[in-house]
Formats: sequence, structure tokens, C-alpha cells
Amino acid sequence: DAGVIQSPRHEVTEMGQEVTLRCKPISGHNSLFWYRQTMMRGLELLIYFNNNVPIDDSGMPEDRFSAKMPNASFSTLKIQPSEPRDSAVYFCASSPAAEQYFGPGTRLTVT
Amino acid sequence: GIQVEQSPPDLILQEGANSTLRCNFSDSVNNLQWFHQNPWGQLINLFYIPSGTKQNGRLSATTVATERYSLLYISSSQTTDSGVYFCAVEGGPGGSYIPTFGRGTSLIVHP
Repeated sequence: DAGVIQSPRHEVTEMGQEVTLRCKPISGHNSLFWYRQTMMRGLELLIYFNNNVPIDDSGMPEDRFSAKMPNASFSTLKIQPSEPRDSAVYFCASSPAAEQYFGPGTRLTVT
Repeated sequence: GIQVEQSPPDLILQEGANSTLRCNFSDSVNNLQWFHQNPWGQLINLFYIPSGTKQNGRLSATTVATERYSLLYISSSQTTDSGVYFCAVEGGPGGSYIPTFGRGTSLIVHP
């Protein structure tokens, strides 16, 4: 199994631009999580999907962030417009039941 | 929500030494996982251990759910053990399935 796949691995963009991060979960996993990691705040859960349905999005910072899961094999996290404070590593994780498996992350830099 | 505290926050060892990392949580848990984040940022599953004891090579973990803590033991440490160790739990009032991460223990193993 290829594991959780995320793209791009690195993204550098200018403030105000739209950013789309992509995630392919492990086949057969029915839960998907988006996290953000910064030095100041550690690992924060942004949103959690179960069977493609958003269950908890209370961690999504503000309306500039949105996430979708159109099918069981694909999810996106979009930031529009991006701001320098959005710079972080964004992780996607999937789970078949209880154990989570993380992707390699996307390092986002907003200048 | 449930609170997770990890100790110590930082640990420096000589190669070959043993260590114990601790994770305390504030309420009953459904799930508990230990992760290792290596120096390249990748989050790797170590143990899924909501209760009991497990061993994998030089690593072992014990969770005493009734006393609300988990321990991760590293024996005969190697330089490749360096990185940050995270504990993540699900539980608390109502039995939430939303994961909460501790702030981690940063481990440096010197040759």
C-alpha cells in the first residue's frame, strides 16, 4: 500500500492567492483528518470526515478555509485568500477505525 | 475537551541509554496512540494502545486507563530515535472520537 498521499509536498505562494492542498487516503479507510502543525500551536485538528461526510469542522480557523471530500479516495483543503499566518505544515491522516496513518505533509509558506 | 500532557518536554540521551516518556490525560479514553515525528517531519505510528502493554523491538508502551496515563519506553536508544514523540487520545465527556494531541517530547540521542 502506498500510504496516505499528499500533494504538493511544498507550496510557496503570495498573500491573497488561493491554495489547494490534496490528499488521497489509504484505500478502505473510512475516516479522514486534516491537521495543521506550527511551532506555536503544535498539531491542531482542522476537520474530520467519516464516510466522506464532515463530522467536526470546529477546528477550521475561519471562513477562508474550506475542505471537501467528494469521494472516498480524495479530499482537498482550500485556503482563499491565503495569509502569512497560514504558513505551516498541513497533514492529512486516514483511519480504518481507530488508528490514524499520516501522510508526509505539505509545507505551506505564504509570503 | 480532554487535556493531554506529556513529560518531559525535552530529553537528551547518550546512545545506549534507556528512557521513559509519559502521557497524562484528564478523562477516560476510547483510543490512544503514540507517534514518532522524525527529523524530516514524518509522523510514524508506534503503538495503538488504549489499554494494556505492547512491545515492538526496543520500544514498548503501557497504558493504565483507570489511572489516566500511558508510558512509552525506549531501551538501548539509537541516534535514529531522535525526534518528537506524540501521544494522541480520543475520549473525554461523551466519549468523543475527535483526536487530541499532546505537545510532545523532543528527544535527542547523541552518538
